[in-house]
Amino acid sequence: DIVMTQSPDSLALSLGERATIKCKSSQSLLCGSHNGNHLAWFQHKPGQPRKLLIYWASTRHSGVPDRFSGSGSGSDFTLTINSLQAEDVAVYFCQQYCGDRLTFGGGTRVEIK
Amino acid sequence: EVVLVESGGGLVQPGGSLRLSCSASGFTFSAYWMHWVRQGPGKKLEWVSRINSDGITIHADSVKGRFTVSRDNARNTLYLQMSSLRAEDTAVYYCAKVAEAYTSWAYFDHWGQGTPVIVSS
Repeated sequence: DIVMTQSPDSLALSLGERATIKCKSSQSLLCGSHNGNHLAWFQHKPGQPRKLLIYWASTRHSGVPDRFSGSGSGSDFTLTINSLQAEDVAVYFCQQYCGDRLTFGGGTRVEIK
Repeated sequence: EVVLVESGGGLVQPGGSLRLSCSASGFTFSAYWMHWVRQGPGKKLEWVSRINSDGITIHADSVKGRFTVSRDNARNTLYLQMSSLRAEDTAVYYCAKVAEAYTSWAYFDHWGQGTPVIVSS
């Protein structure tokens, strides 16, 4: 199975600062019939369902604020939150969807300093 | 509005069985591949099972032969039949819907809130 390694485990920043979260896969996520990277990012707030932010590594899901962006290719990916807002406090995690056996990163907790 | 609601979790003894349900609404259920994902205490999310829109299934090696995913498109409901349960199956179980109809690309645009399963004597 593809192993997803996410860093850091947690992040505490001031309002308005930029958050950078990394996700590394043990194999390239350029796979299958689609020519994109099979990588998604999610946000999870306590008591709420997980929310899709980014798919194909860099495509923002409908309704997601443009301060969220995804980048990277192959096996190294980044989620960036520009100008951190109070409502962005959450756990963020990555997920690969190459083939049938999906795997997830361990999550990054983002807090306000 | 898409809503996924899991039910059926609870406390079960090792070796026991449970059937989880995921009631879906707000979309054409039969058109979408559906997945079960779980998260044990202090663990990463773990993919469990998938069923496509034709009813073809696949399961993680950790549950193969013990868990069976199925769907009832008439009832807009996804199921996970779990048997021979082990302590390591203790987790919150989530159903999740893929974003695009009739595709295998498994990025999920909707998740349920989860139902807890505790396997303990």
